[in-house]
Amino acid sequence: AQSVTQLGSHVSVSEGALVLLRCNYSSSVPPYLFWYVQYPNQGLQLLLKYTSAATLVKGINGFEAEFKKSETSFHLTKPSAHMSDAAEYFCAVSDRNSGGSNYKLTFGKGTLLTVNP
Amino acid sequence: GAVVSQHPSRVICKSGTSVKIECRSLDFQATTMFWYRQFPKQSLMLMATSNEGSKATYEQGVEKDKFLINHASLTLSTLTVTSAHPEDSSFYICSARYGGGYGGYTFGSGTRLTVV
Repeated sequence: AQSVTQLGSHVSVSEGALVLLRCNYSSSVPPYLFWYVQYPNQGLQLLLKYTSAATLVKGINGFEAEFKKSETSFHLTKPSAHMSDAAEYFCAVSDRNSGGSNYKLTFGKGTLLTVNP
Repeated sequence: GAVVSQHPSRVICKSGTSVKIECRSLDFQATTMFWYRQFPKQSLMLMATSNEGSKATYEQGVEKDKFLINHASLTLSTLTVTSAHPEDSSFYICSARYGGGYGGYTFGSGTRLTVV
């Protein structure tokens, strides 16, 4: 079974500071990994995904994440936080060999990012 | 591309009534759709997976008779909350796979259900 652990339910940074949101996964097979952002009362928007090509993945809005197999991690970073980045962020994993599971996504518990002026 | 439209965005209903939530794929055919429930300040909990033309697969602990899912076409899946009670109040989100293989997942904008 696959699982995702997001360290830190709440991260607070100053505007212009580095954003680092942590995600560790557990999967019996090489996974596909995703980061999503959710604004209040809205659905999820894909930031980026890892699907076994380059280990450093660049996404929208200046975010990027690096897949590190040895650390089973897929941390999300952004060099300089903007006020508009304040939202909930979810890391998710999808098993490649889903069998009958229809490629279900397993989500972490989420990290709320606040950006202080 | 790969847009999913979810409707309604908000609904208030009386206890004991039923509510239908629609999820439409606008520019692609969604063979598989997923329905999630999200409690305040919590993650998404997968309720069920629906495949076009077949019965939905429900996650353990989800009442299939209360949460009826229909995926009658490649562009429409519906979730009906039957005999709703206040504890069914929640944020419901649909999602669909697109692009084949592990192309990706796109999400609807969610439905805030309040049962009074």
